[in-house]
Amino acid sequence: NAGVTQTPKFRVLKTGQSMTLLCAQDMNHEYMYWYRQDPGMGLRLIHYSVGEGTTAKGEVPDGYNVSRLKKQNFLLGLESAAPSQTSVYFCASSQLAGDEQYFGPGTRLTVT
Amino acid sequence: LAKTTQPISMDSYEGQEVNITCSHNNIATNDYITWYQQFPSQGPRFIIQGYKTKVTNEVASLFIPADRKSSTLSLPRVSLSDTAVYYCLVGDMSNTGFQKLVFGTGTRLLVSP
Repeated sequence: NAGVTQTPKFRVLKTGQSMTLLCAQDMNHEYMYWYRQDPGMGLRLIHYSVGEGTTAKGEVPDGYNVSRLKKQNFLLGLESAAPSQTSVYFCASSQLAGDEQYFGPGTRLTVT
Repeated sequence: LAKTTQPISMDSYEGQEVNITCSHNNIATNDYITWYQQFPSQGPRFIIQGYKTKVTNEVASLFIPADRKSSTLSLPRVSLSDTAVYYCLVGDMSNTGFQKLVFGTGTRLLVSP
């Protein structure tokens, strides 16, 4: 039982490049979330999903897209990376709305 | 959406009890109070959740007064490994409200020998 895993752990992009961050959970949770965390700030919700095939915008969705084609996976895409997207990205999952969220180890992304 | 206020940082020594207070003056009737812990280079980890009065689990207690305008996370006999950032979240646990939960900047707890 690995819980929530994220791939990759680190990544450096040049401005304008694209990439996809993968989140996988093995707890059969319905809800999945993507957050970003910047120095001196708390976590901010980017997008979330309440079930397979569904996605919705969170607090800071601009510049990101997501997909939930399989219940266990939640992908976060950056189509054209910008330096402002340099951050640590965390994925989380929970069984129900408001339940305890289980977080992954994070992906540290640097955009130069 | 209930705004929360926590101290930016706190210091303690091993073996002491630590109480971290969170203010949430405009908490709504349906809002719950949840605390998370985050170690450096890791994702947050759930500690405890409550609605009113007192909740206790194996790692912490959560005290919520009758007016629910504040709450206190109590960590008994802290150790060096409790050095972390602690987040207080207040929000509606419903299907329409959960996504408004906000992780603020948290309280950075430093436990010294």
